[in-house]
Amino acid sequence: DIQMTQSPSSLSASVGDRVTITCRASQDISNYLAWYQQRPGKVPKLLIYAASALHSGVPSRFSGSGSGTDFILTISSLQPEDLATYYCQNYNTAPPTFGQGTKVEI
Amino acid sequence: QVQLVESGGDVVQPGRSLRLSCAAFGFTFSSYGMHWVRQAPGKGLEWVAVISYDGRSEYYAASVKGRFTISRDNSKNTLYLQMNSLRGDDTAVYYCAKPYRGGALIYYYDSWGQGTLVTVSS
Repeated sequence: DIQMTQSPSSLSASVGDRVTITCRASQDISNYLAWYQQRPGKVPKLLIYAASALHSGVPSRFSGSGSGTDFILTISSLQPEDLATYYCQNYNTAPPTFGQGTKVEI
Repeated sequence: QVQLVESGGDVVQPGRSLRLSCAAFGFTFSSYGMHWVRQAPGKGLEWVAVISYDGRSEYYAASVKGRFTISRDNSKNTLYLQMNSLRGDDTAVYYCAKPYRGGALIYYYDSWGQGTLVTVSS
């Protein structure tokens, strides 16, 4: 199975800050990488697919980059509603695997 | 509008069985492979199982293989997860999840149910 490792596990930032979260795959997954946001007590929500494509309705302050094994999720200007845990997901091969999550505190 | 509604979660003793259901609305259910993903309390997301659009192919996480069975009834637009020999580490919220595209078995998810809680405890 492909292992997905996120860093950091948690971070604290201020409103307006630029935030970056890294996800590393244990082997090449091309651009078959998605990012999800899970607010406290809520269901995961798709943010980014194909490593860098913004899902419909997602604010443009979210962006993704990378390919192969190294990926980054960037929040350009952190907002209070971005308080959440963020997960990356490999969908290159079965089984689909998730990173362990990065908790963003404000 | 896509809607996924899980049910069947409960408190069960170790070794017992439970069946979860996920009713699907707002899309052509029979055209999509469907997944179960779980989340233990305070933990991350763990993929559990997938079934192809026609029910002919199934894949499982190693942690549940041989104990859980995924199935579907396209006439009822419903996905199931039969869970046998339940263990304490199966305690989690179980989500059904719809992939964005119908053709691929493994894909990213654009819709999730609200989840149903399974607690395995004596």
